[in-house]
Amino acid sequence: NAGVMQNPRHLVRRRGQEARLRCSPMKGHSHVYWYRQLPEEGLKFMVYLQKENIIDESGMPKERFSAEFPKEGPSILRIQQVVRGDSAAYFCASSRDPMGEQFFGPGTRLTVL
Amino acid sequence: ILNVEQSPQSLHVQEGDSTNFTCSFPSSNFYALHWYRWETAKSPEALFVMTLNGDEKKKGRISATLNTKEGYSYLYIKGSQPEDSATYLCALQTGANNLFFGTGTRLTVIP
Repeated sequence: NAGVMQNPRHLVRRRGQEARLRCSPMKGHSHVYWYRQLPEEGLKFMVYLQKENIIDESGMPKERFSAEFPKEGPSILRIQQVVRGDSAAYFCASSRDPMGEQFFGPGTRLTVL
Repeated sequence: ILNVEQSPQSLHVQEGDSTNFTCSFPSSNFYALHWYRWETAKSPEALFVMTLNGDEKKKGRISATLNTKEGYSYLYIKGSQPEDSATYLCALQTGANNLFFGTGTRLTVIP
């Protein structure tokens, strides 16, 4: 049973470009969470999605960031017009149940030049 | 946003020593307290989930206790080994499903 998969593992973008980060949850998990780790900081919650629905996006910046979890395919975190301050490690986690244990992926390290 | 604090920030111990570190959190709106072990370049790995005041969990040489009334949890490692070197994260889960993480304790076990 494969764990949570994220790709790419490393992503380099220039300022103003778009970044797309993908997360495939564990088999049987329909709940996905995105977290961000800025340099020298801890993991911070961004958004919680269940298939086709955003449940809680209280941690996500209001502008340029969006997330989706379609019926088929991985969850996508999209950052438009990236800026240097978006450089961080972005982690995805999944759970089977709404309040269940969260299993983490290996993260995507985004570098904005 | 809830403030979850971990101490110490980093720790060096000799192989064979036992050690412990602390996670402090606001005790209101408590649902569960999670401990994760995070090795460099890998995914955070769940160690324990604790929900009840007085809970004690154990996995091999690692154990954890929980005090929800005073808002703290301790993680203990008995007879540390070099493979225990990692960052140990605690996270508070409130009524919502998101986790509020501390910044972690970075443990280095010296052979």
